[in-house]
Amino acid sequence: ELKVEQNPLFLSMQEGKNYTIYCNYSTTSDRLYWYRQDPGKSLESLFVLLSNGAVKQEGRLMASLDTKARLSTLHITAAVHDLSATYFCAVAPGVRIQGAQKLVFGQGTRLTINP
Amino acid sequence: DSGVTQTPKHLITATGQRVTLRCSPRSGDLSVYWYQQSLDQGLQFLIQYYNGEERAKGNILERFSAQQFPDLHSELNLSSLELGDSALYFCASSVGLAIGTDTQYFGPGTRLTVL
Repeated sequence: ELKVEQNPLFLSMQEGKNYTIYCNYSTTSDRLYWYRQDPGKSLESLFVLLSNGAVKQEGRLMASLDTKARLSTLHITAAVHDLSATYFCAVAPGVRIQGAQKLVFGQGTRLTINP
Repeated sequence: DSGVTQTPKHLITATGQRVTLRCSPRSGDLSVYWYQQSLDQGLQFLIQYYNGEERAKGNILERFSAQQFPDLHSELNLSSLELGDSALYFCASSVGLAIGTDTQYFGPGTRLTVL
């Protein structure tokens, strides 16, 4: 059974600092997703990583994937308060079949950025 | 706004009752997924439909059932409700492709409170 683990689960940091959230998963997958959730809100798609060595960047966020290590990272550069949220990684297990793709989510990392 | 709609937004009911949650996917999406988010269990996949057919099942209780209709909207039925069923229920949709990103887009959620 696929397990997805994030760390840290809670992260409090100051504006302007850099930090990384880690996402480890236990079985082979070729699709990894990062989502953002604001308190009481829905999940917003941030990145989709499909292949080993994939790197995606949007603003101050950069995500990467190492399928051999079964590890993805979400790096925050020069954090700003607006990035405060909970970040989830999610992995689609197994071989892809058309019309069948559940996601297994990590526990989420609650990020608080203080001015 | 992801384009996925869910109704109702909030639902308060009593133990033993039955409720129906409704989801309309984004235009063009054939896959609908249901997830449950609670403090103790995190985000858990419940069930997925593709073009009217059940395609994947997760940790869905026997008291819960779902279906996807010909117009592709989906309903999640929860019966014999217990206090522990109180959670945020999300619907997500995707095109359902076997290749590419096939990102799941999440609706705003239905917050269910069982008293």
